[in-house]
Amino acid sequence: NAGVMQNPRHLVRRRGQEARLRCSPMKGHSHVYWYRQLPEEGLKFMVYLQKENIIDESGMPKERFSAEFPKEGPSILRIQQVVRGDSAAYFCASSPAAGGQAFFGQGTRLTVV
Amino acid sequence: QQQVKQSPQSLIIQKGGISIINCAYENTAFDYFPWYQQFPGKGPALLIAIRPDVSEKKEGRFTISFNKSAKQFSLHIMDSQPGDSATYFCAAKLQGGSEKLVFGKGMKLTVNP
Repeated sequence: NAGVMQNPRHLVRRRGQEARLRCSPMKGHSHVYWYRQLPEEGLKFMVYLQKENIIDESGMPKERFSAEFPKEGPSILRIQQVVRGDSAAYFCASSPAAGGQAFFGQGTRLTVV
Repeated sequence: QQQVKQSPQSLIIQKGGISIINCAYENTAFDYFPWYQQFPGKGPALLIAIRPDVSEKKEGRFTISFNKSAKQFSLHIMDSQPGDSATYFCAAKLQGGSEKLVFGKGMKLTVNP
């Protein structure tokens, strides 16, 4: 049983470009969470999704950031018009149900140059 | 109110010693307290977790101690090994609320041989 798969592992974007981060949850998991980790910091919650629904986006910046988890395919975290401050590691986690243990992927390290 | 404060920021100990990491919180609505271990370049992995109705939980060399009245909890790593060298994060989740985890800033543990 493969774990949570995130790709790409590393992503370099120039300021103003778009970044698309993908997360395939573990088999049988329908709940996905995105977190951001700045250097030397803990993880900060961004958004919680179930299939086709955003349940909690209280940690998402109001502009340029969006997330989706379609009926088919991976969850996508999209960052438009990236700025240097978006450089961070972005982690996805999945769980089989609300309240279930969340398993984390290996993260996507975004560098904005 | 939504913060989890973790200390120390780093710790260096000798093999065989006991590593102790402390966390404190303010919000009494937190009802789930996990500890995560993260190796460089990897995602966080759940080590052990506790709920407030229990004062201590032990799994192998890892023990969580929970003090509900003081709103503090700690992780003890007994007989620390060089392979335990990693960053450790405490976290907390709200009762009945969103599934999001609130993380401490992490503690970098180095165990010397």
